[in-house]
Amino acid sequence: QVQLVQSGAEVRKPGSSVKVSCKTSGGTFSSYGISWVRQAPGQGLEWMGGIIPIFGTANYAQKFKGRATITTDESTSTAYMEVSSLTSEDTAIYYCARDLKGAIGITGYFDYWGQGTLVTVSS
Amino acid sequence: DIQMTQSPSSLSASVGDRVTITCQASQDISNYLNWYQQKPGKAPKLLIYDASNLETGVPSRFSGSGSGTDFTFTISSLQPEDIATYYCQQYGNLPPTFGGGTKVEIK
Repeated sequence: QVQLVQSGAEVRKPGSSVKVSCKTSGGTFSSYGISWVRQAPGQGLEWMGGIIPIFGTANYAQKFKGRATITTDESTSTAYMEVSSLTSEDTAIYYCARDLKGAIGITGYFDYWGQGTLVTVSS
Repeated sequence: DIQMTQSPSSLSASVGDRVTITCQASQDISNYLNWYQQKPGKAPKLLIYDASNLETGVPSRFSGSGSGTDFTFTISSLQPEDIATYYCQQYGNLPPTFGGGTKVEIK
């Protein structure tokens, strides 16, 4: 079955960067997109950006443009999200999600999710 | 960005009750509307896609309706395992956006 397994919790200092991975299995990596959604403590869900591996292009929410970078490694069916210039407001759980309609250019149909990665930004 | 207004933000109901949550989009999104369930400490789970379609394996007590700007999510008979926060999410326009969530508790 489809699984998305994320890397472990991270602690970073303000101003640094973090890179979270999302390894997928049970599906054809190039047949869908991967999006990243974050959730600050006690808050709702926020889409950060997504990528469609077969196209190799990523889209980002306006607030993350220039600070977040999504990449993929098709050889390992793994997606990555790197966020730079971290502040305490970036403390959150970061989820990757399979974007089922990504291969047809539609972003936002999230049918499988990773378990989440807690990123804590603290001095 | 399209704003998704979800209400109520929380509710308390008894086991067996019918529960209804509404979601309003700031502009027409056709039927590009999904509903997710998130239990504490867990990732969201897709329940309803394209406004009214039940995801495979999801119990039939969950349902969704609506199109355009106004949508409804219903649990026909609330069960103890339904305790969670529910989110609507539109994908008619980039970026995909989520409602603020509805926390459902047992009375």
